[in-house]
Amino acid sequence: VLTQPPSVSVAPGQTARLTCGGNRIGSQSVHWYQQRPGQPPVLVVFDDFDRPSGIPDRFSGSNSGNTAALTITGVEAGDEADYYCQVWDDSGDPGWVFGGGTKLTVL
Amino acid sequence: EVQLLESGGALVQPGGSLRLSCAASGFTFSGFAMSWVRQAPGKGLEWVSSVNNDAVGKFYADSVKGRFTIFRDNSRNTLYLQMNSLRGEDTALYYCAKFRGGTYRQYHFDYWGQGTLVTVSS
Repeated sequence: VLTQPPSVSVAPGQTARLTCGGNRIGSQSVHWYQQRPGQPPVLVVFDDFDRPSGIPDRFSGSNSGNTAALTITGVEAGDEADYYCQVWDDSGDPGWVFGGGTKLTVL
Repeated sequence: EVQLLESGGALVQPGGSLRLSCAASGFTFSGFAMSWVRQAPGKGLEWVSSVNNDAVGKFYADSVKGRFTIFRDNSRNTLYLQMNSLRGEDTALYYCAKFRGGTYRQYHFDYWGQGTLVTVSS
């Protein structure tokens, strides 16, 4: 189970830190997606901290212990979206799991 | 350019069946695992099912196991999801997504389609 706070609010230009909690998540590879309203998700970070081409370096990831995080520096109005973390879960029947998502609001 | 085009979504009665399709282009389809991910109205993302590039390895979420079947036709560059015994809680936008990564723990969804809407209601 991946736990994400339902909402985070930040002012433009500030830094947003979105967390994803899970038991020993630091031993997993965590991937992050941005979903704007009415759009399919977009991959913004993979393998904890790597960025796909085209994703600005304002987006960064970290992962240690029981918490992974997506940090967005210099937040812009266009960053307002839902953000989901995702991991591979082989603790039972194997499969992939998403966190519940965090709604980022830019004030 | 990678494109994933889903089709087959519809309004269906509880207990009914539906087959979704996803036509892929812009990459070597037979070289990548593929998945279905759904999103109920106003809710978060839920992984549904995945299939390896060789069509042999298949994975299902507990919520659909025994009712849904994923398969692919590499000669037609198409992914499918056969959905039987549909329930109200299956109502969602169903996305087709391409996997990228070296091992299962590294697998992430690097491309997504626009989705096809499945509504289960009487």
